[in-house]
Amino acid sequence: NAGVTQTPKFQVLKTGQSMTLQCAQDMNHNSMYWYRQDPGMGLRLIYYSASEGTTDKGEVPNGYNVSRLNKREFSLRLESAAPSQTSVYFCASSVPGRGATNEKLFFGSGTQLSVL
Amino acid sequence: SQKIEQNSEALNIQEGKTATLTCNYTNYSPAYLQWYRQDPGRGPVFLLLIRENEKEKRKERLKVTFDTTLKQSLFHITASQPADSATYLCALLYNQGGKLIFGQGTELSVKP
Repeated sequence: NAGVTQTPKFQVLKTGQSMTLQCAQDMNHNSMYWYRQDPGMGLRLIYYSASEGTTDKGEVPNGYNVSRLNKREFSLRLESAAPSQTSVYFCASSVPGRGATNEKLFFGSGTQLSVL
Repeated sequence: SQKIEQNSEALNIQEGKTATLTCNYTNYSPAYLQWYRQDPGRGPVFLLLIRENEKEKRKERLKVTFDTTLKQSLFHITASQPADSATYLCALLYNQGGKLIFGQGTELSVKP
């Protein structure tokens, strides 16, 4: 049981380049999330998807787009990378739809992204 | 907006002692509060959840308390071991908006 799988693990981009971070979960979870983690800032929610076919903005959505391709997969796209997007990105999933009382999250191992 | 404060300074303790980590929040109380463990280079791993109507929750050597008057949660690890060394994150879910908000984490180091 792989859980939540993120690719790639590391990526270096030049300013203005684009890329897509991939995330897949094999736990049949309804909800999926993208967070970024910066030193001293904690985890901040970028986008989330309460169920297949829906996506919503989180706390820091600017500069990002997402696609909930199917129930398993949720990708995060940087259209024109900026140095401010240098961070560690985590994908997560949870069982119920958003707002339910059991929002225990399962996280992937993260993508270390550097934008030069 | 809601703010969560965890001790930004690392906590260093001796093996066998009890580690106590603090999570403070502002404004109104969350529906529930969670604690996660994060090891370097890894994603957070869920440990415990405590609801607003619960005062205390235990799991093996872990204990979490939730004081809505003080707007604070305490996370205790009894009989700590070097393997408990990690960063511990608290996260709060508020009914309004349903967003899970994370603190910045506290690094715990347990010395043998």
